[in-house]
Amino acid sequence: SQQGEEDPQALSIQEGENATMNCSYKTSINNLQWYRQNSGRGLVHLILIRSNEREKHSGRLRVTLDTSKKSSSLLITASRAADTASYFCATDAKGSNYKLTFGKGTLLTVNP
Amino acid sequence: EAGVAQSPRYKIIEKRQSVAFWCNPISGHATLYWYQQILGQGPKLLIQFQNNGVVDDSQLPKDRFSAERLKGVDSTLKIQPAKLEDSAVYLCASSPLGSGPYEQYFGPGTRLTVT
Repeated sequence: SQQGEEDPQALSIQEGENATMNCSYKTSINNLQWYRQNSGRGLVHLILIRSNEREKHSGRLRVTLDTSKKSSSLLITASRAADTASYFCATDAKGSNYKLTFGKGTLLTVNP
Repeated sequence: EAGVAQSPRYKIIEKRQSVAFWCNPISGHATLYWYQQILGQGPKLLIQFQNNGVVDDSQLPKDRFSAERLKGVDSTLKIQPAKLEDSAVYLCASSPLGSGPYEQYFGPGTRLTVT
């Protein structure tokens, strides 16, 4: 079963704009990770945020986590055509031995 | 550092035939995962190994799927007999040993088409 649910399912923006994707999940988690998947590089880890963290940055990426609402957001600033990909959140539920459960993903298209 | 290697990259078989996929994880990574990704969905964990022991195979359809990890390094995933609904990309991933969490490193996947 899929734990995370990304929103929106698809997002199309222009180069230079910011892109925000959201993830909601159902059970208490240890950590939440975001991954990117495109045809060129496959599935690649972007960022990990622990359940006791509220915000994390990595380059043009900003991730927030609200455990009270069981939700996370991924912000990509100043998007580039190369950011075109599917983005997945993955959670590991408490007691799951760090087993990751992925959502269905958001398809981001950045138009040049 | 070499990444996770998988072969073959593509496979087309008829239903009821058998198929096997191979994975070589990143050197030194003790944990190995096999995922199934159906078109339009996120990856679903099939089985997780730590060294050559199974940690989780709760979502592996054991009547037709099997997996092994010999000597705690390479792994093979087998489907016998295949069904139409097994058409998917099969992803192998690895991560270092130790109490988690760790990011997972994914291979390029094997795209299976069952006709």
